[in-house]
Amino acid sequence: GEDVEQSLFLSVREGDSSVINCTYTDSSSTYLYWYKQEPGAGLQLLTYIFSNMDMKQDQRLTVLLNKKDKHLSLRIADTQTGDSAIYFCAEMTGGYQKVTFGTGTKLQVIP
Amino acid sequence: DTAVSQTPKYLVTQMGNDKSIKCEQNLGHDTMYWYKQDSKKFLKIMFSYNNKELIINETVPNRFSPKSPDKAHLNLHINSLELGDSAVYFCASSHGQGQGEKLFFGSGTQLSVL
Repeated sequence: GEDVEQSLFLSVREGDSSVINCTYTDSSSTYLYWYKQEPGAGLQLLTYIFSNMDMKQDQRLTVLLNKKDKHLSLRIADTQTGDSAIYFCAEMTGGYQKVTFGTGTKLQVIP
Repeated sequence: DTAVSQTPKYLVTQMGNDKSIKCEQNLGHDTMYWYKQDSKKFLKIMFSYNNKELIINETVPNRFSPKSPDKAHLNLHINSLELGDSAVYFCASSHGQGQGEKLFFGSGTQLSVL
C-alpha cells in the first residue's frame, strides 16, 4: 500500500518545539520529504531525507527516520508564528518520479 | 520570475462545461505533474509527464486530459465538469532524474463547479 498518514492538527506555543509525525507503508520508499503549505499557496519543500539515513538537521528543522517502524518525524525548534501552516510528509517510491503525499498536519502556533 | 505558474488562479463554471488550466515552468525541469487537493487538503497525484511523455496516469476519469506541447508546459483540459471536480489543482515540476525528486509547485487553481 501507499497510504501516508499524519495526525490532522497540532497546536504549540511560540518558542516551544513542534514535532509532526508521519507513518508510511511503502518500505521501498527511497526519499522522504517534508513540505509546507501556507494558506492560498502551493506546497514548498522544506527538507528531505534519503532512506539510508536516520537523521538530518537543517537549521531549526530536524528530520528523524525510523525505517523499521516506517515512521518519519519533523521537529521544528523555537517554533514561530510564521511556522503556522499545513505540513505534508511525502515519499518517493521506486521509479517514475511518483511522489505520494500524506494527509497533512495543520500546525497552529499560539503567540 | 515565477518558477511554476498556472492560470487561471480561480475558475468558476457551470456543470457540464469544458475548461482548461494552463501551467508553465521556467526551471528547465524535465518532469511536470498535476495534483488535485480536495476540501480536506488531501493531495492526490493525477498525471505526470517526463519530456512530453505521459509516465503516471492515476485513476482519473477520462474527462480529464493532460497535454504537454513541450517540456515546459503541461495543460489540463476537463470535459463535462461535475460538482465533484471542485478542488484546487496544483501543477508542479521536478528535475526528472529520479534521484530525490524535489517538486516545485505552482500557486494552484481553485475550481468551483456550480
